[in-house]
Amino acid sequence: QSLLTQPPSVSGAPGQRVTISCTGSSSNIGAGFDVHWYQQIPGTAPKLLIYGTNNRPSGVPDRFSGSKSGTSASLAITGLQAEDEADYYCQSYDSSLSGSVFGTGTKITVL
Amino acid sequence: EVQLVESGGGLLQPGGSLRLSCAASGFAFSTYAMSWVRQAPGKGLEWVSAISSSGGSTSYADSVKGRFTISRDNSKNTLYLEVNSLRAEDTAVYYCAKEMLLTEGIDFWGQGTLVTVSS
Repeated sequence: QSLLTQPPSVSGAPGQRVTISCTGSSSNIGAGFDVHWYQQIPGTAPKLLIYGTNNRPSGVPDRFSGSKSGTSASLAITGLQAEDEADYYCQSYDSSLSGSVFGTGTKITVL
Repeated sequence: EVQLVESGGGLLQPGGSLRLSCAASGFAFSTYAMSWVRQAPGKGLEWVSAISSSGGSTSYADSVKGRFTISRDNSKNTLYLEVNSLRAEDTAVYYCAKEMLLTEGIDFWGQGTLVTVSS
């Protein structure tokens, strides 16, 4: 049972803006620990999208952005494209577990 | 170019043991903490274990504590995961992962090695 909860699925039309929430608690996101986001195309390894809540690694389009407020974080994708169809996971550190924790995952479908 | 290449997966019976290896190249291995993350078929990502750059500090998910042991050999640029007392629920693709400095974020992943536990 993950300590970070994400909606199972989100969908949007090409060009639209979609957001994925990642709800945690006072022992992880709310404690100020970094939040990271990953994109995973089925059958492949995850890819880092956002680190440290709102930083993009080199090569990640600026259509992807992250934010955090209280015990939750969000990933926003603007100008949705067909290639964005994938599974997305948030990650943070949890002090009660003394280890990392991943979110439950969200599948983005491009209509 | 950073490369992480896992090996050692396979089909095992419940209660069995094996050692997963991850050969790292393209970066200063001894500088970075490393992790193992697994993904059961059709399921989400699950953090399994992490080890500090020196190997002096380790951490484990409750689901594997006492059964799995993470270690590293910085002279060989290799990360290991010793898995014992395997259960059906340990069936997953196991990814080797390089952590970023000063945070648990993972900037590079291996291709994964499949461990199947079945009688």
